[in-house]
Amino acid sequence: DQQVKQNSPSLSVQEGRISILNCDYTNSMFDYFLWYKKYPAEGPTFLISISSIKDKNEDGRFTVFLNKSAKHLSLHIVPSQPGDSAVYFCAAVMEYGNKLVFGAGTILRVKS
Amino acid sequence: NAGVTQTPKFQVLKTGQSMTLQCAQDMNHNSMYWYRQDPGMGLRLIYYSASEGTTDKGEVPNGYNVSRLNKREFSLRLESAAPSQTSVYFCASSANGGSYNEQFFGPGTRLTVL
Repeated sequence: DQQVKQNSPSLSVQEGRISILNCDYTNSMFDYFLWYKKYPAEGPTFLISISSIKDKNEDGRFTVFLNKSAKHLSLHIVPSQPGDSAVYFCAAVMEYGNKLVFGAGTILRVKS
Repeated sequence: NAGVTQTPKFQVLKTGQSMTLQCAQDMNHNSMYWYRQDPGMGLRLIYYSASEGTTDKGEVPNGYNVSRLNKREFSLRLESAAPSQTSVYFCASSANGGSYNEQFFGPGTRLTVL
């Protein structure tokens, strides 16, 4: 049973527009959430994270929103750029833990 | 500073053969991990090592063994490869601390078992 779910396998967005990637989780013990970005033939790289005590974290063009009551988080990319085209993984971890639980990933394609 | 390195990049095995995937990190991290990535499944933790001399099972440990050779190196061994172990394998490392630490990933090893 997947504890972290990314229900959209792919997303296509026009350059300059907003990209919204969604992630749902089932385990209420998760209290830290991360987004990783992965290009083909490379390992995932950390993008942005959020603690469960916050509902928003922003880093440049990337913003992550957390809705604990809905067990839902989303990654917003504004404005989207062609170089953002990659697979995005949502991941979750429990406090003081180091076992990441990943979602299946969403392929983002930004069209120029 | 190379970060996390993995060898080999690609490998083809026949069913029943054995092999060891190598991983090394130069960031002085205490924790190291092995994941596999399969289509539609995301990354799943195979084994991890919280510190030199310790290892623990992750979500999918069956068919694998690991060795934390020293602080830098963490190897993954397939004793008798099966087609179900065809996957992309990623090694990662992280520092230890009181709360969560970001994991840094290697470039991966693409393994095919025929």
